[in-house]
Amino acid sequence: DGGITQSPKYLFRKEGQNVTLSCEQNLNHDAMYWYRQDPGQGLRLIYYSQIVNDFQKGDIAEGYSVSREKKESFPLTVTSAQKNPTAFYLCASSVGFNNEQFFGPGTRLTVL
Amino acid sequence: ILNVEQSPQSLHVQEGDSTNFTCSFPSSNFYALHWYRWETAKSPEALFVMTLNGDEKKKGRISATLNTKEGYSYLYIKGSQPEDSATYLCACSNSNSGYALNFGKGTSLLVTP
Repeated sequence: DGGITQSPKYLFRKEGQNVTLSCEQNLNHDAMYWYRQDPGQGLRLIYYSQIVNDFQKGDIAEGYSVSREKKESFPLTVTSAQKNPTAFYLCASSVGFNNEQFFGPGTRLTVL
Repeated sequence: ILNVEQSPQSLHVQEGDSTNFTCSFPSSNFYALHWYRWETAKSPEALFVMTLNGDEKKKGRISATLNTKEGYSYLYIKGSQPEDSATYLCACSNSNSGYALNFGKGTSLLVTP
């Protein structure tokens, strides 16, 4: 089955620790995205990548980092510089930038 | 960041009712408008991607229209069913946003039998 996987589903970390969220797709999509959802807010774009070895900051990139070394993978690192990391994180991909996006199941990160 | 507004915030209808939601967005430098359906415990799924003023798209009982000149899109559901219960997300892109999607907060629909 083609799709997007995110792992883990739930993640708990202590304050001050970096944590990496996984996102893998086998849809052969060029573009990938990371969004964050907070209660009462719309999805907000953290980072996106239109092609391998290239990525751009979204609206709320501070405190996050990404890499795109392989077409299938777009991991997101939440660093200790992110002031409010507790949130629901969604990864998505699309054939090309601004085509319909396919979403993963999400990772809920809680920083204690 | 584009200001994408959705209304109403939530809606509760009876099975068989028809309903509609609104998405408002900046009309300048418009590029694309997306609608997604997000059911509880599932991932958001694309319903429509529209780019041209006057576009109308339909998928089963769900349809959408687009007015880029005045900056709004309507999503209609005809004869709502309990399985239509979900949050409906609207997202817009334009050249000012670097063509990245900006999402509204969504409209939460509950359809009861």
